[in-house]
Amino acid sequence: GDSVTQMEGPVTLSEEAFLTINCTYTATGYPSLFWYVQYPGEGLQLLLKATKADDKGSNKGFEATYRKETTSFHLEKGSVQVSDSAVYFCAAGRAGTALIFGKGTTLSVSS
Amino acid sequence: GAVVSQHPSWVICKSGTSVKIECRSLDFQATTMFWYRQFPKQSLMLMATSNEGSKATYEQGVEKDKFLINHASLTLSTLTVTSAHPEDSSFYICSARDQQGAMNTEAFFGQGTRLTVV
Repeated sequence: GDSVTQMEGPVTLSEEAFLTINCTYTATGYPSLFWYVQYPGEGLQLLLKATKADDKGSNKGFEATYRKETTSFHLEKGSVQVSDSAVYFCAAGRAGTALIFGKGTTLSVSS
Repeated sequence: GAVVSQHPSWVICKSGTSVKIECRSLDFQATTMFWYRQFPKQSLMLMATSNEGSKATYEQGVEKDKFLINHASLTLSTLTVTSAHPEDSSFYICSARDQQGAMNTEAFFGQGTRLTVV
């Protein structure tokens, strides 16, 4: 079945550092890909998405590109802020079906 | 964007009692909703797929008699944890995808329900 693998954390960075969180997927065909963010005690919020190969999702300075050849959807941000501290989940899914999530990566940003 | 409302956001119950969690899609119709469980510092594990007007589809290892799911309308699904025990304490999250319109739309998540069984 489909699966999503993302780098394990925690990731600890200083403010304004560059962030990369790796995510790869295994699936038949081409699912849509998503990054969700979860702040402590809260549900999940969509951060960005891409629905087909070579699409780039972007939001709040975060970016991820759907790479079919490497089956990857790595999350990047050029300059992180303390407020970016959260757990980030990579997910894959097709229309009408449940999303498959990676294990989540905890990001801690210090000032 | 679309909103999914989950209620309650937290609940404490005594061992042996039942707890009902509601999940509503506020501005779209969801023929299918999904229920996830999240253990501390872990990912979301799909428990079941809730289908409007029919029986839910449970993932392997999830007790359907313990986690009762009802999807009586296009905007409401409920999860009832029956005869709750401390090991059922967890964070439960519902999700729905707007299936009218573009394919592969995002999934919208409820705020989650923190269940503590004492």
